[in-house]
Formats: sequence, structure tokens, C-alpha cells
Amino acid sequence: NAGVTQTPKFQVLKTGQSMTLQCAQDMNHNSMYWYRQDPGMGLRLIYYSASEGTTDKGEVPNGYNVSRLNKREFSLRLESAAPSQTSVYFCASSPRTADGYTFGSGTRLTVV
Amino acid sequence: AQSVTQLGSHVSVSEGALVLLRCNYSSSVPPYLFWYVQYPNQGLQLLLKYTSAATLVKGINGFEAEFKKSETSFHLTKPSAHMSDAAEYFCAVSERGSYIPTFGRGTSLIVHP
Repeated sequence: NAGVTQTPKFQVLKTGQSMTLQCAQDMNHNSMYWYRQDPGMGLRLIYYSASEGTTDKGEVPNGYNVSRLNKREFSLRLESAAPSQTSVYFCASSPRTADGYTFGSGTRLTVV
Repeated sequence: AQSVTQLGSHVSVSEGALVLLRCNYSSSVPPYLFWYVQYPNQGLQLLLKYTSAATLVKGINGFEAEFKKSETSFHLTKPSAHMSDAAEYFCAVSERGSYIPTFGRGTSLIVHP
């Protein structure tokens, strides 16, 4: 099994450009999550989807939108990228709270 | 709201020495507890988890952690460090019924030859 697949792995954007980060899992997990990781800040939750058809804001949702396309896919969109959104983005999925997360390998985004 | 404290942003040990990474949490009832490991340029990987069975939990790569309710702690240990253990380690806590875990800030484990 591939687990959680994120694309692209690297991306450089100019300020104001838009892009969508893709995430897909093949484990039939109900819940999916988007985090950003910055030095000294740990992991911060952007958005999550507890189940297909639902999405909710996390700790740092401003500047982002998400779509739970189906049970497998959960995308993250930056409508107008800003340098403050330079970060490493991780997608994760989970069948239920007690099982913990499976993480993707991350997307390293630089906004110039 | 629950919180997670990892004592020490960096821990340095010699190869073969005991590894001890500390994690304390605040929660009114025993939660689910997790340790994750992150190797450079990779995503996080689940190391072990506590879900109210045995208080001493064994994980991958020789790591284990003990849930101590009276101390609200879930410290991670390994008897003998290996160079390949050098990584970032995250403690996480989930309240029962919540979809959202709280992560600690992480502890970087440095292993010296």
C-alpha cells in the first residue's frame, strides 16, 4: 500500500499566485488532516475532515481552503500565496482517534 | 484545553547510552497518547501509542513508553541509543471523542559516536 501520497513534493510560488496541494490515501481512513510545520512552531493544524463530506477549520486556516473530494482525496488550496505561507505542508489520515495518524512525506513550499 | 509539554527541545546522548525523552500532558481523563518520529526530510511516523491497555507500551525500533497517570506523563525511553535514532520526536495527546490531537513542540535527539 502507498499510504498517504502528497503532490507535489516541492513548489516555488510567486506572491499572489495560487496553487492546490493534493493528498490521497488508500487505507480507507475516515478522517484526513492538513498541517504546516515551521521551525520552532511544531505542527499546526490548518483544516481537517472528520469524514467524507465534512470539513472544519483548525488552528491556522486563514489564507487556505480545502476540499474533501471523496473518501480518498483531500486537497489544500492557496488562493493568493504570501511569503508567510512558506512552510512544509503535511497531509495525514486516520481511521479513528485511538489509532493515530499516517502522514504523507510532505510538500515543501516556498513563496517568494 | 489539553496541552502537551516536551521538556528539552534538544537531547544529546552518546551511542549506547540510555535515551529518555520527556512528555507531560494536561487532561482531566486519561487520553490517548502517542509518540511520533520524524527523520530529516520525511513525514512523521507513529512510534507507539497508549490507548488504556497496558501502561508500558512497546513500539518500533526498541523504543517504549510508560503511562503514569499520577504524574500525567508519557516519557519515551530506549535502553541503548543508536546513531540511526537521531531524529525529531513528537509527543501527541488526543482526548477520547476528539478528532484533533495536540502535538508537543518536538525534541531533537542527537546521538554522538
